Parts: sequence; structure tokens; C-alpha cells
Amino acid sequence: DGGITQSPKYLFRKEGQNVTLSCEQNLNHDAMYWYRQDPGQGLRLIYYSQIVNDFQKGDIAEGYSVSREKKESFPLTVTSAQKNPTAFYLCASTPGLAGYNEQFFGPGTRLTVL
Amino acid sequence: GESVGLHLPTLSVQEGDNSIINCAYSNSASDYFIWYKQESGKGPQFIIDIRSNMDKRQGQRVTVLLNKTVKHLSLQIAATQPGDSAVYFCAERTGNQFYFGTGTSLTVIP
Repeated sequence: DGGITQSPKYLFRKEGQNVTLSCEQNLNHDAMYWYRQDPGQGLRLIYYSQIVNDFQKGDIAEGYSVSREKKESFPLTVTSAQKNPTAFYLCASTPGLAGYNEQFFGPGTRLTVL
Repeated sequence: GESVGLHLPTLSVQEGDNSIINCAYSNSASDYFIWYKQESGKGPQFIIDIRSNMDKRQGQRVTVLLNKTVKHLSLQIAATQPGDSAVYFCAERTGNQFYFGTGTSLTVIP
């Protein structure tokens, strides 16, 4: 079955620690995205990547970092510089930026800072 | 920035009735719109999409209407079922980026 997997489902972090969220897709999609979801707000774009070894900042990139070394993987690191990291994080992918293609979403990772 | 909003944060309907969920968008340059369904603690699921050159698109039990004059999008769910209970939100694409609404929580009363 093709799809997007995110791990772990739940993640707890102490203040001052960096943590990395995993996102893997076997859809052969070129573009991948990271969003943050907070209660009462729409999804906000953190970073996106159109192709391997390339990525761009979204609207709320501060305190986050990403890498795209492989087409199927787009891990997100939440650094200690992110002041309010507790949120639900969603990874998505599309075949590419062009064309009319919906974003396929993973199941999400809920990050809680203790 | 973009502003995609929903008129009603919550909606309750009787099982078997039709549901209508509304969405307002702000950018007339948006060319593509999507409705998603999200159950608690899960990732969003695609429901239906529509391009800006269309006014209406139908799927299985769902219809999306696009009114570009007033920048309004709606999702109609026919014969609503308990399994339809979830948060529904719209997304609009402007350039390379999608902008998402805050969502409407739909509750189906058996």
C-alpha cells in the first residue's frame, strides 16, 4: 500500500532539547511538506521541498530545520529555539508543485514539551 | 498572508439529513480548492477538489460549489451518516502554497 508514515505518533520533549520527527512516503512524490496544527487554527506551513537536496521556508520556519537527502524522506527537527513547540505536526506530499494534485497527509505526530 | 475562514465553527445535523459546510477565501488568484475531513488525532483525508474554472463538482454523496464572485466555497454532504462526524476544512492554492481554513466540526446525531 502506498502512503505516508510518520513516527512516532506521540513524542515528549524536555525544554532545551532538539527532537526529530520522521516522515516517509512511498508514493514516489517529488514534493513534501511539513505543517503545524494548533487548536482553533488552520494548518501552517513550516517547510516544503520540491526535490531532493532542496527545500524552502514556509510561514513559520523559525526554530525548525529539515533535510531532504532522499526522495522518500523529509525529517523535521524541532530545535530548542522553537519557543512553543507543543502541537500536532503533519507531513504531506504531492507528485509535484505543478498540476492539480491534492496533498496526501500522514497520520501526524503529537509533540508535547514537558 | 492568506485568510481562509469558515462561517460556522460547529454544525450538528440529524442522521440522514443533508449537511452544508461553508468556507470563505480571500485571494481571487487562487486556482485550486480542496475539502478535507479530519478525525480526531488523525491526518486529514481528501474529500473532493475543484479548479477555479469550475462552479460545481460532484463526488459520491458530496458536492462542492465554488462562487468566485463572492469568494465562497461550500461542501454539501447528502444523507449524512454517523461516520461523517469529523472536522472539515477547506484549502486554497495560491501559487505554490496551500492555505487552510480553521475547520468546522460536524456532529451527526443518530
